[in-house]
Amino acid sequence: AQSVSQHNHHVILSEAASLELGCNYSYGGTVNLFWYVQYPGQHLQLLLKYFSGDPLVKGIKGFEAEFIKSKFSFNLRKPSVQWSDTAEYFCAVIPGGSGGYNKLIFGAGTRLAVHP
Amino acid sequence: NAGVTQTPKFRVLKTGQSMTLLCAQDMNHEYMYWYRQDPGMGLRLIHYSVGEGTTAKGEVPDGYNVSRLKKQNFLLGLESAAPSQTSVYFCASSSRLDFSYFGPGTRLTVL
Repeated sequence: AQSVSQHNHHVILSEAASLELGCNYSYGGTVNLFWYVQYPGQHLQLLLKYFSGDPLVKGIKGFEAEFIKSKFSFNLRKPSVQWSDTAEYFCAVIPGGSGGYNKLIFGAGTRLAVHP
Repeated sequence: NAGVTQTPKFRVLKTGQSMTLLCAQDMNHEYMYWYRQDPGMGLRLIHYSVGEGTTAKGEVPDGYNVSRLKKQNFLLGLESAAPSQTSVYFCASSSRLDFSYFGPGTRLTVL
């Protein structure tokens, strides 16, 4: 079945460590790609998005992601995490053949805990 | 702008009871969505609407109904709640060429 896979379900890091969260999708053709973040007790907020153009996308709060079409991947990175980055991170895809209407397909999420 | 708002924030139901969740957006978005979030499964699309008076099924529509009588509102109904519908429900809206904005969520427990 077509899907969005996030390889790490739980990640624990110390402050200042580097972060990379993996995301792979199985849809062919054109895709729109997103990373959303959900801080404890809050709603989902957009971190960054890729529609077209430069495959290295910069988002808010120092996050970036790289779209590698040949690997069907859209990994999220941050060079130095902070305690305030503790949250759940969701990768999401809008497949090009989905009929439009911006229907998101989400991965299962990665819970990140950053220790001081 | 309030963005996307949802009422209520919390609700506890007994099996078989009914309820309606209300979503409102003030961004004049055409598209609106209802997702449910369950541990380890991410968010899954229940129903969506691409304009006033239209609705369509998403990935997990069974046991839910929706209505969009006004462009700014999208209602999610549970006619006969079941424990399997215990979840956090998120409403979202978007325009055609933009990303989705999410509401704060409704935590529903069905006993």
